[in-house]
Amino acid sequence: NAGVTQTPKFRVLKTGQSMTLLCAQDMNHEYMYWYRQDPGMGLRLIHYSVGEGTTAKGEVPDGYNVSRLKKQNFLLGLESAAPSQTSVYFCASSYSLLRNTQYFGPGTRLTVL
Amino acid sequence: EDKVVQSPLSLVVHEGDTVTLNCSYEVTNFRSLLWYKQEKKAPTFLFMLTSSGIEKKSGRLSSILDKKELFSILNITATQTGDSAVYLCAVDPQINNDMRFGAGTRLTVKP
Repeated sequence: NAGVTQTPKFRVLKTGQSMTLLCAQDMNHEYMYWYRQDPGMGLRLIHYSVGEGTTAKGEVPDGYNVSRLKKQNFLLGLESAAPSQTSVYFCASSYSLLRNTQYFGPGTRLTVL
Repeated sequence: EDKVVQSPLSLVVHEGDTVTLNCSYEVTNFRSLLWYKQEKKAPTFLFMLTSSGIEKKSGRLSSILDKKELFSILNITATQTGDSAVYLCAVDPQINNDMRFGAGTRLTVKP
């Protein structure tokens, strides 16, 4: 089992460029999440999904879109990157709401110039 | 607004010391509180607490929840350099899946 994997590990973008971060899990988890982590602010939830074909907004959804076309994959898109989106992005998955022990991916460090 | 506050923000101790990390919260419709350890990369799960007064233990780590006073503590006894990490507290509300994390406590254990 690879657990939760994220692609890419690092990325540098210019302001206005777009990109997609891919998260994949092989644990058959229903729930998947995208977080961003900034210094001194802990983890903040961007969007999440409670199952294939569903998505919902978290605490800081502006400037991001997500899709969950397959149960094992959760994509995070930045349509027009801004320097304020410079952060480390973590994907996580969990089996259910009742067993909300989230398993995290290794993170993607994104820099927007 | 839901809020999770951890203290202290950072802590430096020597090997063998005992440390207590604090997490206080204000969350609508609390379901559970979770502790994670984050070294260089992804957070790893330590404990999930749902009931007051029941201590969870794993080796030298233990944690307890007080739902009346809205806080939790994480204790680490006989600290080792490998305990150096950021410890994150998160609260899971019942209404939605918007788990709220605290800013973390950075623990440094010196030899």
